[in-house]
Amino acid sequence: EAGVAQSPRYKIIEKRQSVAFWCNPISGHATLYWYQQILGQGPKLLIQFQNNGVVDDSQLPKDRFSAERLKGVDSTLKIQPAKLEDSAVYLCASSMGQTSLSGANVLTFGAGSRLTVL
Amino acid sequence: SQKIEQNSEALNIQEGKTATLTCNYTNYSPAYLQWYRQDPGRGPVFLLLIRENEKEKRKERLKVTFDTTLKQSLFHITASQPADSATYLCALDGTTSGTYKYIFGTGTRLKVLA
Repeated sequence: EAGVAQSPRYKIIEKRQSVAFWCNPISGHATLYWYQQILGQGPKLLIQFQNNGVVDDSQLPKDRFSAERLKGVDSTLKIQPAKLEDSAVYLCASSMGQTSLSGANVLTFGAGSRLTVL
Repeated sequence: SQKIEQNSEALNIQEGKTATLTCNYTNYSPAYLQWYRQDPGRGPVFLLLIRENEKEKRKERLKVTFDTTLKQSLFHITASQPADSATYLCALDGTTSGTYKYIFGTGTRLKVLA
C-alpha cells in the first residue's frame, strides 16, 4: 500500500514569512496527526484529526499555526508568520483508530518536511 | 503533566552484543507502550507494542518488557548489527488525567560498532 505522502521535503524561509505543508495519509486511515520534531528531540504532537474534526490541538501555537483537513483525507499545516524557533521537521502520521480504547493505535509516518527559518 | 524519559545520551555497543534501551514515564496510564525506530532524514517506523497487562513481548531479535509498577519499559536488541544503528523512540498510547494522549519520548540514539 502507498505510504503517507508529505511535501515539500525541504523548505527554507526568512522569519516572518509563511509556509504550508501538505500531507496525504494512508487510504482509509481516519486519524491524522501533525508532529513537530526539533533536532535531538522526540516528536511533539501539534494537532490530531479524526476524519475532518480536531481531537487535540492543545499544543498548537494557534497565534501562528493553523491546520485543516477539509474533506477528511489530506491535510495542510500552515505557519504564519514563522519564527526562528519553528525550524524543525514537521511529521505527518496517520492511523486507523483514534484511541487505545478501540485497540492499539499504530502510527504510520511520512518522511517529514524539514523547515529552516533564517 | 505527563513525562516520558529515555536515555538522552547515545548508546554505543559492540556488534553481537545485546543493546538495552530504557523508557520511564510518569503521570500516565498507558494502555499500550510502543517502540519505533527512526533513521536520519526519515519518519519513525513502528517496531513493536506491548499491552499494559503483558510483561514481555518478542519479535525476532527484539524483546520488550513492561513494568507498570515501576512505570518502565526495557527494549532489547539481541545479536546487534551495525544496521541496527538508529534512534529508538518509545511512545505511550493511553490516558493522562482522563484525557487520551499519544506521546513520544525523546529517543535514544544507538550505534552498533563493527
